Amino acid sequence: DGGITQSPKYLFRKEGQNVTLSCEQNLNHDAMYWYRQDPGQGLRLIYYSQIVNDFQKGDIAEGYSVSREKKESFPLTVTSAQKNPTAFYLCASSISGDAGELFFGEGSRLTVL
Amino acid sequence: DAKTTQPPSMDCAEGRAANLPCNHSTISGNEYVYWYRQIHSQGPQYIIHGLKNNETNEMASLIITEDRKSSTLILPHATLRDTAVYYCIVDALYNFNKFYFGSGTKLNVKP
Repeated sequence: DGGITQSPKYLFRKEGQNVTLSCEQNLNHDAMYWYRQDPGQGLRLIYYSQIVNDFQKGDIAEGYSVSREKKESFPLTVTSAQKNPTAFYLCASSISGDAGELFFGEGSRLTVL
Repeated sequence: DAKTTQPPSMDCAEGRAANLPCNHSTISGNEYVYWYRQIHSQGPQYIIHGLKNNETNEMASLIITEDRKSSTLILPHATLRDTAVYYCIVDALYNFNKFYFGSGTKLNVKP
């Protein structure tokens, strides 16, 4: 079945450590996105990528980094520079130019101890 | 930036129609109305979208007013599994990378 796989589902890290969240899709979508969600809040865009080897900052990119070396993969690194990294992270993909349907993964919940 | 206004929560009896309103008074001519929903601790799920005509699919119906300043998402026969946060989003076609997911409406479907 086609879809988006995020891993790990739950992650704990100590302050000062970098952590990388994985996002893989087998939908053959060109565009991929990372969102952050805090409790009781909506989603905020961190980074997005429309094609391989290209990505753009979203609204809250500070303290995060991404890469897009393969069409299927769009990993997100939460660096130690991110001051409040505890959150629910959601990866999504879409066919570039499609009429707006985003497909989301199940999310990764990061807790900084 | 918020382009839409939604009530924070609504209740609906199981089996009845759920009507979720959304105000988007500053919508531009090239902007679509999209609806997504998010069941607790899961990724959002696309429901439906439209420009100016009413739309219907297997999940829901979307009614957009003639002046396009507001819309209503209708779940014809709500079930307990429809309990979720529903997001109304306004954005231009091919610009969905800028989707703004606000706080949405928490729909509580009750037995």
